[in-house]
Amino acid sequence: EIVLTQSPGTLSLSPGERATLSCRASQSVSNNYLGWYQQKPGQAPRLLIYGASSRATGIPDRFSGSGSGTDFTLTISRLEPEDFAVYYCQQFGRSPPSLTFGGGTKVEIK
Amino acid sequence: EVQLVESGGGLVQPGRSLRLSCTASGFTFGDYFMSWVRQAPGKGLEWVGFIRSNSYGGTTEYAASVKGRFTISRDDSKGIAYLQMNSLKTEDTAVYYCGRDGTWPQFWGQGTLVTVSS
Repeated sequence: EIVLTQSPGTLSLSPGERATLSCRASQSVSNNYLGWYQQKPGQAPRLLIYGASSRATGIPDRFSGSGSGTDFTLTISRLEPEDFAVYYCQQFGRSPPSLTFGGGTKVEIK
Repeated sequence: EVQLVESGGGLVQPGRSLRLSCTASGFTFGDYFMSWVRQAPGKGLEWVGFIRSNSYGGTTEYAASVKGRFTISRDDSKGIAYLQMNSLKTEDTAVYYCGRDGTWPQFWGQGTLVTVSS
């Protein structure tokens, strides 16, 4: 089973700054089956990125994903007030079919 | 508009059963895999399982932590996915979310809280 490790645990930044979130997998993620979600308190997760770098429908272009193999990054180019939240990476494994989430990175206002 | 509404949560004693429902609207339910994910209080997201669409056999996959105790099913005529939870443990306490799609659930319900406690 692939384990996803996210870093840092907490990121303290100001609006307008750039956020760089890391997700490292214990084994190579096949076919870049890696996604990123945003979750705000009391809300369901929201899919931001799938296939490592494709933005989901309606996601602003300040959100971008990159990486392959075992190292993936979510970048928020300029933080807006509504971007302060917890972010999770997630991979889909084919054998056996399963989903795994990372532990999350909290982006908080500095 | 895609909408998913979970229901059926509540307080249940350890060892008992509970069935959650996920009622879908705004899309052709039978065309999609449906997933369940849970989140214990103050914790991260944990995948529970998914059910394939009937065109992919309608088969299911589960996380090791729930395999043999939880069963996912679907009624395409009603647009509902179910999560039957048996032999519940205190560690099953969580908000349970249903999501559309299996690989990257894009649409989610607001969740239903299951509390397992004596």
